[in-house]
Amino acid sequence: EAQVTQNPRYLITVTGKKLTVTCSQNMNHEYMSWYRQDPGLGLRQIYYSMNVEVTDKGDVPEGYKVSRKEKRNFPLILESPSPNQTSLYFCASSSWGEGSHEQYFGPGTRLTVT
Amino acid sequence: AQSVSQHNHHVILSEAASLELGCNYSYGGTVNLFWYVQYPGQHLQLLLKYFSGDPLVKGIKGFEAEFIKSKFSFNLRKPSVQWSDTAEYFCAVNAPSLNDYKLSFGAGTTVTVRA
Repeated sequence: EAQVTQNPRYLITVTGKKLTVTCSQNMNHEYMSWYRQDPGLGLRQIYYSMNVEVTDKGDVPEGYKVSRKEKRNFPLILESPSPNQTSLYFCASSSWGEGSHEQYFGPGTRLTVT
Repeated sequence: AQSVSQHNHHVILSEAASLELGCNYSYGGTVNLFWYVQYPGQHLQLLLKYFSGDPLVKGIKGFEAEFIKSKFSFNLRKPSVQWSDTAEYFCAVNAPSLNDYKLSFGAGTTVTVRA
């Protein structure tokens, strides 16, 4: 089954404790992206990756890091989480070729930073 | 980056009523347009998309949307809603002509359907 998976689905942590949210897709997509969803703001892009070893900042990259060492994986790293990073996070992937570049979303990770 | 505006923050209606959600975007070039739905506690699912051809697009669950280029709009419609259509709806745009595949989302519209 074609899918995007994220782990963990729920995470409660404390300020300053480094964490990683994993994202994996099995569709051989070149493009992967991280979004955060906050009430009244919709989804905002954090980082994206056009392919292996190619990443770039989205609209709200501050406080986040990513890496793309393999095509299928795109982890999101919070080196020193703060309460304003409490949010719902979605990973997405898309093919790079012709077409509409529909993005497929993972199930989401709800992060609470206390 | 493109900006996307969704006109309604929260819509409440009764079953069998018609639904129309407005969406406008800022970029005047070639765009791909999407409507996603997020049911309570679930991830985003694609309702429908437009990237070329017939500007009236039909999606899943009886939804349709019309792309009006002159108005920079991509409004979502459903003639008769059901209780199960209660969800949050997001309009999204990208601009492949700019080599910009980032998906820009509107703020979302919460739809509540009362039985």
